[in-house]
Amino acid sequence: AQSVAQPEDQVNVAEGNPLTVKCTYSVSGNPYLFWYVQYPNRGLQFLLKYITGDNLVKGSYGFEAEFNKSQTSFHLKKPSALVSDSALYFCAVRVFYGGSQGNLIFGKGTKLSVKP
Amino acid sequence: SQTIHQWPATLVQPVGSPLSLECTVEGTSNPNLYWYRQAAGRGLQLLFYSVGIGQISSEVPQNLSASRPQDRQFILSSKKLLLSDSGFYLCAWSLLGTEAFFGQGTRLTVV
Repeated sequence: AQSVAQPEDQVNVAEGNPLTVKCTYSVSGNPYLFWYVQYPNRGLQFLLKYITGDNLVKGSYGFEAEFNKSQTSFHLKKPSALVSDSALYFCAVRVFYGGSQGNLIFGKGTKLSVKP
Repeated sequence: SQTIHQWPATLVQPVGSPLSLECTVEGTSNPNLYWYRQAAGRGLQLLFYSVGIGQISSEVPQNLSASRPQDRQFILSSKKLLLSDSGFYLCAWSLLGTEAFFGQGTRLTVV
């Protein structure tokens, strides 16, 4: 079965420190991978994606993610966390069925808390 | 540029009442459209998706239905709401193989 896992319910980081939010996936074939951020009572905002090419992808607000095929991971990273980065983060994978349009499958989300 | 509109932002409805949530997309044609529900907690559950007018696929059996009367309009409905229908409903659109873009969500409370 196709799935995506975010093993940490919450990540706590001090402002200015680097942050990592973990994501692993299990899909058949080549995955399309995405990260989203959600602020309270708001919709999800797209941060970045990996489709093909360079394993390190850069996205909005200084975030980046590294695709690791051997470890089936797509961890979200930022060199220096801001208090305003505190939010809920979702990893997602798009899967395809018989070549037709696939749906996004989301992880359960990781709450990031950045303390001053 | 593309935009997605979802309304209302909040809704309080009594048990047994009908529901209609609307979502429209501007600036693109023939998008794939989605309805998700986010229960208290955080996980996103895909409820319905549509690849074209009148084409609706349901992911989970439930008290809800969806319709796509126009290319860029997606409606989530219920004839009789249950308490368990409470949650945060999100509409989204995407083009083939790309990322999805989400509306601002509707907080539904069934009382």
